[in-house]
This record gives sequence, structure tokens and C-alpha cells, in this order.
Amino acid sequence: QKEVEQDPGPLSVPEGAIVSLNCTYSNSAFQYFMWYRQYSRKGPELLMYTYSSGNKEDGRFTAQVDKSSKYISLFIRDSQPSDSATYLCAKEAFQGAQKLVFGQGTRLTINP
Amino acid sequence: GAGVSQSPSNKVTEKGKDVELRCDPISGHTALYWYRQSLGQGLEFLIYFQGNSAPDKSGLPSDRFSAERTGGSVSTLTIQRTQQEDSAVYLCASSLAPGISTDTQYFGPGTRLTVL
Repeated sequence: QKEVEQDPGPLSVPEGAIVSLNCTYSNSAFQYFMWYRQYSRKGPELLMYTYSSGNKEDGRFTAQVDKSSKYISLFIRDSQPSDSATYLCAKEAFQGAQKLVFGQGTRLTINP
Repeated sequence: GAGVSQSPSNKVTEKGKDVELRCDPISGHTALYWYRQSLGQGLEFLIYFQGNSAPDKSGLPSDRFSAERTGGSVSTLTIQRTQQEDSAVYLCASSLAPGISTDTQYFGPGTRLTVL
């Protein structure tokens, strides 16, 4: 079992829809979780990070961590065609680690 | 300012040949990371540098893979006797400060390696 599991999709939704992207993880000992966005032929860029459980909101994006169920989510409201990208969830490999463990990435397309 | 740059952007090589991939981190960033992104595999950690030292090289898949960093700046990832399973996008990232996994890792565009 991979340490971070993510449905690779692809996921296709109409413009304006609410998008929900999800990951599960197998080790709940660590605190920091991240979402990266990767456009085609580009490197990933950090979108948001959250600490421990709870929600964090940034504009149209909300990141949510549920440590009891080992579930992390990213919600995108009022989705735009420019949101079309691959979204990767990640967490620190272990507390204080320098390396990140990534999910497989979900390819998202927002249709105008 | 300039971001992380990588060269070449694409590399096609024959099985058994050696390849060198280069990463120029953001100026002043002390930490540098190499990851590999294969189709359907997500990003896999390869090695981390703090300055010129590599405290964690646990992700290097075999002894055919090596990396070095000089002057606390440029890093090269070398793959000897390439195999077809080495085909992937090799991504480099850098971050400003060590010791904090949430310190933002800025990624380069990657080198797409194809081994024929």
C-alpha cells in the first residue's frame, strides 16, 4: 500500500462547478499536508498547506484534513478553465523530514 | 527573479549510455531536492542536499544513480548504464531554509528522459 493514495482521474467538470479532490494516507503521525498544482510540462507549484486537522481557505480553494479518517481534501469553488491541471497531495515523510511523499496526482479538466 | 532551471529539458538516449541532468536552484536556497515523476507513479523522492552534503539519499533506486552539488548551488544527477525503466521526468526543487518540511519547495520544469 502506498503511503499516500490519490485517484488519478481524469476528472472533467463544467466551468463553475465545485470540485472535490481527495487523498488518503496511511500514517497519521505527521502534521503537515500540502496540495501542489502542476500544469502540463511544468513543475509542481505549492497551492496550499495545512497543519494537523481542520480547514484552510485561500480564495476559491479550501484544504481540509481529517486525521481521524486519514483523509485530505481540496475543494475548488467556481472552477475556471485555468484550474485545469494535475493536483498532487503530499505530506512530510516523517516529522521534521525534508522530503515529501506525494500522491499519484489527479488530472482535472474544467470545460468552458 | 529567476526560478529553478533544469537542463536539458528533454533527453533521449540509448539503453546503456550514461546521462547527466543539471539543476540550477534559486540563488540563496540552501536546500535542493531531486524527484522523479513516472507515468502513473506520482513524484518519488530521490535525494536531498543541504549545502553540498546529501543527508538523505534514500530514494536513489540503485547504485547507477548518483548526484552531487558543488558550491552550494548547481547540482547534477548522473544515471549510469541507463535502462528503459529510467524513462521519466526528473524534477529538481530548492527551498530557502533547512529543517522545516513546510518551507516551500520551488520546482523546476523538469528534464524529460527517454531511454530507447
